[in-house]
Amino acid sequence: NAGVTQTPKFQVLKTGQSMTLQCAQDMNHNSMYWYRQDPGMGLRLIYYSASEGTTDKGEVPNGYNVSRLNKREFSLRLESAAPSQTSVYFCASSTPGTAKNIQYFGAGTRLSVL
Amino acid sequence: GESVGLHLPTLSVQEGDNSIINCAYSNSASDYFIWYKQESGKGPQFIIDIRSNMDKRQGQRVTVLLNKTVKHLSLQIAATQPGDSAVYFCAETLLSGYSTLTFGKGTMLLVSP
Repeated sequence: NAGVTQTPKFQVLKTGQSMTLQCAQDMNHNSMYWYRQDPGMGLRLIYYSASEGTTDKGEVPNGYNVSRLNKREFSLRLESAAPSQTSVYFCASSTPGTAKNIQYFGAGTRLSVL
Repeated sequence: GESVGLHLPTLSVQEGDNSIINCAYSNSASDYFIWYKQESGKGPQFIIDIRSNMDKRQGQRVTVLLNKTVKHLSLQIAATQPGDSAVYFCAETLLSGYSTLTFGKGTMLLVSP
């Protein structure tokens, strides 16, 4: 069982470069999420997709865009990376509305913007 | 609250001790709570959950207590092991409709052999 798979695991960018973080889940979950995690902080929601075909802003959406490509895949794009976007990014998936709203997380992408 | 800026609250225990990790949640309307464990270099992993109609729920070596009056959760780990060393997060949400999870800022548990 792969669960939630994120690629790449590590990335170094220069300021102004763009990149897309990929996320795929094989649990047939309806909802997917992107978080960032900074030292000493909890997880902050960037964007989420409640179901295929919908996306919504979370707590910290500025500087990011997302695409829900299909039910399995949810990508996060940085159009013009900034040093403030240096962070660890986590993708998660869940099926809310059932008995459990448990989110299952990938292993993360560690991004440094120089 | 838990946040201390760049520095996480830390609980240091000896192997075999019982550990208690606390969490103050923010929304009095929240009716579902989850504890996650995050080991170094990994994503958060589900440990245990509890609904607001319960005060206590037990799992394997873990117990979650909920006090809705003061909006407080605790996670108790029995006979703590070195493998329990990690950052622990609580999260809150609403079961009805669609609601995202709101995470606390975490507590680091360090277990010495």
